[in-house]
Amino acid sequence: QTVVTQEPSLSVSPGGTVTLTCGLTFGSVSTKYSPSWYQQTPGQAPRTLIYTTNTRSSGVPDRFSGSILGNKAALTITGAQADDESDYYCVLYMGDGVWVFGGGTKLTVL
Amino acid sequence: QIQLMESGRGVVQPGGSLRLSCTASGFPFTTYGIHWVRQAPGKGLEWLSFIRFDRSNEYYADSVQGRFTISRDNSKKMVYLQMNRLRAEDTAVYYCAEDANWALHFWGQGAQVTVSS
Repeated sequence: QTVVTQEPSLSVSPGGTVTLTCGLTFGSVSTKYSPSWYQQTPGQAPRTLIYTTNTRSSGVPDRFSGSILGNKAALTITGAQADDESDYYCVLYMGDGVWVFGGGTKLTVL
Repeated sequence: QIQLMESGRGVVQPGGSLRLSCTASGFPFTTYGIHWVRQAPGKGLEWLSFIRFDRSNEYYADSVQGRFTISRDNSKKMVYLQMNRLRAEDTAVYYCAEDANWALHFWGQGAQVTVSS
C-alpha cells in the first residue's frame, strides 16, 4: 500500500527558512502526482497553499513556494513568521481518481 | 465568494447510517468535482471520496469502499456522502472541498460525526 511520507515535526526560527518534504514509501514524487500543500491551524479547516507542484493559491504570500527536490515534493517557507506555526499536509494524486494525504508536519516557529 | 458548507452532523450508533450534505455557492458548481475528506480526533487528514462534475465517475479510499456512497444533485448544487455500517473509527470531522487542477481548493468548515453507543 502506497504511503505518503512527511516529517512529523520541524522547527524554524522567526525569519528563517524551512523546507517540508512529501515523499513516497515506494518510488519518487514527480510533477505527474500534482502535489499540493495545505496549512491547518487547530480547530480550523485546511487552507490551500500550493497546487500542481508550485502554483500558489490566491492570496498566499510568496514566502511559500513549492518544488520538486530530488525524489520528493517540497514546500519551502522563506522568512518564517510566527503565524506560520501550523500543521502542513501534502496530498498526491495517485491516478485513477485516488488522492492520498501525507501524515502531516507540525511546524513550530521559535 | 466561494463557499462550501457541510450539514448533517450527528451522533450515531455503531452499525448505523448517516448522510452528510455539502452545499456549494459562488462558483460554477456543475463544472467542478467535489471531494470528501475527514480528520479523526488528533489525527491527520484522510481523503475519502471524489465525484466528477458530471457524476460520470465516483472514487473511494479503501477504508470506506463499499460502506460510503458519494452522490450529487447539480440542480441543487449539493453533494452527499451516505455513510453506512459506521464504526467507532469513523468518528471524525468531515470536510467537503472543491476540486480544481487535481487539488482540493476551497473547503467547507467541517461537520462532526461521532459513532458511539
